[in-house]
Order: sequence, then structure tokens, then C-alpha cells
Amino acid sequence: KAGVTQTPRYLIKTRGQQVTLSCSPISGHRSVSWYQQTPGQGLQFLFEYFSETQRNKGNFPGRFSGRQFSNSRSEMNVSTLELGDSALYLCASSFGTGIAGTEAFFGQGTRLTVV
Amino acid sequence: KNEVEQSPQNLTAQEGEFITINCSYSVGISALHWLQQHPGGGIVSLFMLSSGKKKHGRLIATINIQEKHSSLHITASHPRDSAVYICAVYGGSQGNLIFGKGTKLSVKP
Repeated sequence: KAGVTQTPRYLIKTRGQQVTLSCSPISGHRSVSWYQQTPGQGLQFLFEYFSETQRNKGNFPGRFSGRQFSNSRSEMNVSTLELGDSALYLCASSFGTGIAGTEAFFGQGTRLTVV
Repeated sequence: KNEVEQSPQNLTAQEGEFITINCSYSVGISALHWLQQHPGGGIVSLFMLSSGKKKHGRLIATINIQEKHSSLHITASHPRDSAVYICAVYGGSQGNLIFGKGTKLSVKP
């Protein structure tokens, strides 16, 4: 059974650009959540999707957005990139309605560097 | 004050030692996760707890809901256990996953 796949693994962007990251969950999982990890703030919750609907959103500006497709694959988009957006972006998938009550499986992450 | 506090921040042990990592939280929760992150970034979910105790191989996780405290124990530690261990709780006012800062464990042979 394939794990959670995130693409790309590494990305370098310039301030002001926008970026789209992709997450393919484990087959059969309908819940995908996204997280940002930085050395200063640690791991922070971005958003959670279940069956194409955003169920929850963390405290991030509107420049951060996401969506989920009918095949459960999810994308997150960051517009007007800032230096502070440099981070490891992780996604996790789970079978149930969310990471609250079921085991989560994480991808390897996308390391975004903004220059 | 962070809603999820882990201790210690850093831990160095000799191979074979018994290790305990602690997690205290200040919000109401419905579940607590222990995660393991190796260099390179990949995260593995070790346990999800809502009460009591769980065991998997050499790893044991306990939670005391009344005291808002959880512990992760590693018996007979091994260098391959070297990683960052992160406690995360699902709850709080927004019903999100809230993460601790992590405990960096280094097990020397």
C-alpha cells in the first residue's frame, strides 16, 4: 500500500511569487490535513479537508489556501510569498473524519525556501 | 505559556537505557498523539490515545486525563530511536491539532 506522497520534495521560490504543493493520500483515506513546520514556531496546523470540504482552518493569513479533489488528493497554495513562509510543509491523511480520532499517516514533506 | 509543553527539550541516553518523555497540556482534548520525526522531516505516528495506556514493541504511552499529562516511554533504547518526539493534542478552542515543541532524543551506542 503506497504511503502519503507529497510533491515536490524541495522548492525554491522568490518573494512575491505563488506556489502550489500537492498531497496524495493513502488509497481509501478521505481526510487530508496540512501543517507548517519552522524552527521558530514548530509544527502548526494549516487546514483539514474531508470529502472535498474544508473542516477546519488554523490561524494563517488568507494567502494560504487549499482544496481537495474528488479523488481525495489535496493541494495547498501560498500566494505572494514572504521570506517567513520558508518552512517544511507536511500533509497527513487518515481514514476517518479527521485526525482527532484516527491514526494519521504523514508524507515526507515539501521543503519550501523563499529567497 | 504554550498549550502543550514537553520535557525535556533534549535528551541524551546510552543504548539500553529506559527513557521517559513527558507532555503536559492545558486545554480540553479528545485525543493525544505521539509522533516521531527523523532527520529529513518524515513524521511517523506512534500512538493515538484518549485514555489509559498503549504499548507497541519497546514503546509505551500513557495518558492521565485528570492531570492533563502523558508520557512516552522507550525501554531498552537503541541508537535507531534517535529522533525528535512530538506530542500533539486534538482539542482547544478551535478544535485543531496543537503541537508541543518536541523532544530531541539521541541514543549513543
